[in-house]
Amino acid sequence: AQSVSQHNHHVILSEAASLELGCNYSYGGTVNLFWYVQYPGQHLQLLLKYFSGDPLVKGIKGFEAEFIKSKFSFNLRKPSVQWSDTAEYFCAVNPNNFNKFYFGSGTKLNVKP
Amino acid sequence: EAEVAQSPRYKITEKSQAVAFWCDPISGHATLYWYRQILGQGPELLVQFQDESVVDDSQLPKDRFSAERLKGVDSTLKIQPAELGDSAMYLCASSQMVLASPGAGELFFGEGSRLTVL
Repeated sequence: AQSVSQHNHHVILSEAASLELGCNYSYGGTVNLFWYVQYPGQHLQLLLKYFSGDPLVKGIKGFEAEFIKSKFSFNLRKPSVQWSDTAEYFCAVNPNNFNKFYFGSGTKLNVKP
Repeated sequence: EAEVAQSPRYKITEKSQAVAFWCDPISGHATLYWYRQILGQGPELLVQFQDESVVDDSQLPKDRFSAERLKGVDSTLKIQPAELGDSAMYLCASSQMVLASPGAGELFFGEGSRLTVL
């Protein structure tokens, strides 16, 4: 079945550590890719998105993600996390521009001060 | 900044009762989605509207769930009767696919309605 996989369910880091969250998808063809973040008590909001062009995309708050088409991956990275990055992160895929969005199960990031 | 409005934020009900959730998308967004998010999981699509028409309700449990968007603007999701397994966060999102518009092609979410069925 087609899916979006986030293999890290819970990540605990100390401040200033580097972060990489994995996202793999199984949809073929053209895809738009997203990372959404949900801070405690807040709604889901867009962190960054990839539609086309440079496979390395930069988002808000120092986050970036790299689209590797051959690996069907869109991993999220940040060189140095802060306590305020504590949140749940969701990868989402919009395949073939069909106006449908499929989400991974999410990764909870806990940054220790 | 325009937002997706949802109400109520929290709803506690007993099983077999009816519940309803309301969503007002960002003005001009033709596509409206209802997602269900169970604790520890990602959002799962329940129903998708394009203007007032349902374009995907394949995952909506139609024996107890219904959704409408009569005038192509705001929408209501109803559950009757509610069951224990319906306890979840119900998320509304909207999007527009008009190219070259700011935010085109991305989902904008509301705060969600958290349902607890006792």
